[in-house]
Amino acid sequence: GAVVSQHPSRVICKSGTSVKIECRSLDFQATTMFWYRQFPKQSLMLMATSNEGSKATYEQGVEKDKFLINHASLTLSTLTVTSAHPEDSSFYICSAIKGGDNEQFFGPGTRLTVL
Amino acid sequence: SQKIEQNSEALNIQEGKTATLTCNYTNYSPAYLQWYRQDPGRGPVFLLLIRENEKEKRKERLKVTFDTTLKQSLFHITASQPADSATYLCALGEDQAGTALIFGKGTTLSVSS
Repeated sequence: GAVVSQHPSRVICKSGTSVKIECRSLDFQATTMFWYRQFPKQSLMLMATSNEGSKATYEQGVEKDKFLINHASLTLSTLTVTSAHPEDSSFYICSAIKGGDNEQFFGPGTRLTVL
Repeated sequence: SQKIEQNSEALNIQEGKTATLTCNYTNYSPAYLQWYRQDPGRGPVFLLLIRENEKEKRKERLKVTFDTTLKQSLFHITASQPADSATYLCALGEDQAGTALIFGKGTTLSVSS
């Protein structure tokens, strides 16, 4: 199989705090992981591409100092939303590529609510 | 800029009928196109992948067509069931390793019994 997990599944925090979201590939190694954000009734929007052992590549308009990404190992990438504000409230989804065929497997998502 | 459109935000059909969802794209030449199912509050689940040199792909009650001339993919669910109710996303991809998918907004399908 190819299972991707995310933790936590849901988080509520106060404005100004930082939140870390973990994305793990449970039964395979992923050299590349992606972080997406999805607002209600909207498409998944790519935020950044995370490569193990190197700096993440951010999409235009995504602040790298606000959304810190660390791909520490072949099975773990983390997204930290620093100094979160209500407008950061969204559904954050990661995906991981397995093997060389570019097939992506998605995590279950993390619902972030900033009060 | 690249644009991908799923023609209906919502589609309501009766159980047993065939649901047909459309995905159109512009300013892009994808190597393949994928269809995903997404339930509320969940991540997308992969359904089917069709490559640019393939015209049709089937998997159980699902059928996907890909017309690179029209820049369009059709996604069919035959003998639809209430359990098929979900949002269906199409996504375009390239063969280059490590490239992300480009997603449409999705079509929410409701199958009534």
